[in-house]
Amino acid sequence: LAKTTQPISMDSYEGQEVNITCSHNNIATNDYITWYQQFPSQGPRFIIQGYKTKVTNEVASLFIPADRKSSTLSLPRVSLSDTAVYYCLVGDAPGTGANNLFFGTGTRLTVIP
Amino acid sequence: GAGVSQSPRYKVAKRGQDVALRCDPISGHVSLFWYQQALGQGPEFLTYFQNEAQLDKSGLPSDRFFAERPEGSVSTLKIQRTQQEDSAVYLCASSLSSMRETQYFGPGTRLLVL
Repeated sequence: LAKTTQPISMDSYEGQEVNITCSHNNIATNDYITWYQQFPSQGPRFIIQGYKTKVTNEVASLFIPADRKSSTLSLPRVSLSDTAVYYCLVGDAPGTGANNLFFGTGTRLTVIP
Repeated sequence: GAGVSQSPRYKVAKRGQDVALRCDPISGHVSLFWYQQALGQGPEFLTYFQNEAQLDKSGLPSDRFFAERPEGSVSTLKIQRTQQEDSAVYLCASSLSSMRETQYFGPGTRLLVL
């Protein structure tokens, strides 16, 4: 059973706000939600992390409803350089079970000029 | 400062050969992770170290896979008797303390088994 579900792909025009939603119905009490960005031939890069409610940093915002069964990554005013794969990661400290750190297949965002 | 580095960046092996992949984490980072990423897929967790202790190896796909971090810094992922299905990018990440801290990833080693 997949721990996270995301749309496979999304397209957006430059300058628009992009919202990518991740479903994690089986999230555990101790699990945090972390989003990573990955460009081709590079390792993933941390974007934002949260546990509940809303988190904002200089790059993005993360919205988490009270039931924590989903989360939405919001990228304001995307540019061409935001074209990448975005992963939602749900997990806690390793050692508590197999596949505790689960990336899923990610969302391929394509920003169009 | 320097980020996570991995070597080699590319490795071609004949089926049945043994390979060793190296990861140099960020200095002072306690936690180290190995992931396997197949083409078009997300990274899949392999194993986790806290200093020199391997606390979780539940993701290693078979006993042909072995990882070590003897001095709590550099780590090596060894794959014995490689098979074609081992072809993937192997990513290493480190974090300051626990998984809840940001993981910093290396560029990965792309392994191709012929």
